[in-house]
Amino acid sequence: GENVEQHPSTLSVQEGDSAVIKCTYSDSASNYFPWYKQELGKGPQLIIDIRSNVGEKKDQRIAVTLNKTAKHFSLHITETQPEDSAVYFCAASNSPGFQKLVFGTGTRLLVSP
Amino acid sequence: DVKVTQSSRYLVKRTGEKVFLECVQDMDHENMFWYRQDPGLGLRLIYFSYDVKMKEKGDIPEGYSVSREKKERFSLILESASTNQTSMYLCASNKQGSGLREQFFGPGTRLTVL
Repeated sequence: GENVEQHPSTLSVQEGDSAVIKCTYSDSASNYFPWYKQELGKGPQLIIDIRSNVGEKKDQRIAVTLNKTAKHFSLHITETQPEDSAVYFCAASNSPGFQKLVFGTGTRLLVSP
Repeated sequence: DVKVTQSSRYLVKRTGEKVFLECVQDMDHENMFWYRQDPGLGLRLIYFSYDVKMKEKGDIPEGYSVSREKKERFSLILESASTNQTSMYLCASNKQGSGLREQFFGPGTRLTVL
């Protein structure tokens, strides 16, 4: 089955810096890669996703890149703000309709003012 | 506003007790999921359901069962709770169809088994 590895487990940056979180997956059949953000006391919330026929996707300060050959995908956050502090999870899916997700182990991002 | 609610935020149970965790969604979603979240392990799928009375095992179903009698409600059952089931439990739901895949999560239930 699919296995998703995520690094780093914790990341501390200064406000305004960029943050990069990296994930690798094992199943070449995976074709959907979402990123979820979990704030303290809340459930995870989708922030961006990418399908395997796309190499990069941007939404304001966040972007996701996908390298299918290397089975890598990354989350990039530019101009970080304190409200970006949260736990971020990557995930991968190879199931029909992308219903089943396999999650990474999470990255705790701390943005200091 | 989409909403997934879970019956309890915090729950403390004794070893051997039968435990019910309830999840309700108001978005008319076909799919519902139960995950457990542990530090360093991320979210792991326990069970999911794609229709009323239908269920499929996830990656870690041992020690758990589920019930889906109504479309909006999905219950996770610990038949005989054990200390290694102390964890955060998250319920999620989404709509079927390849273009509608975002999973909406509830706030979680932190279960402690003593």
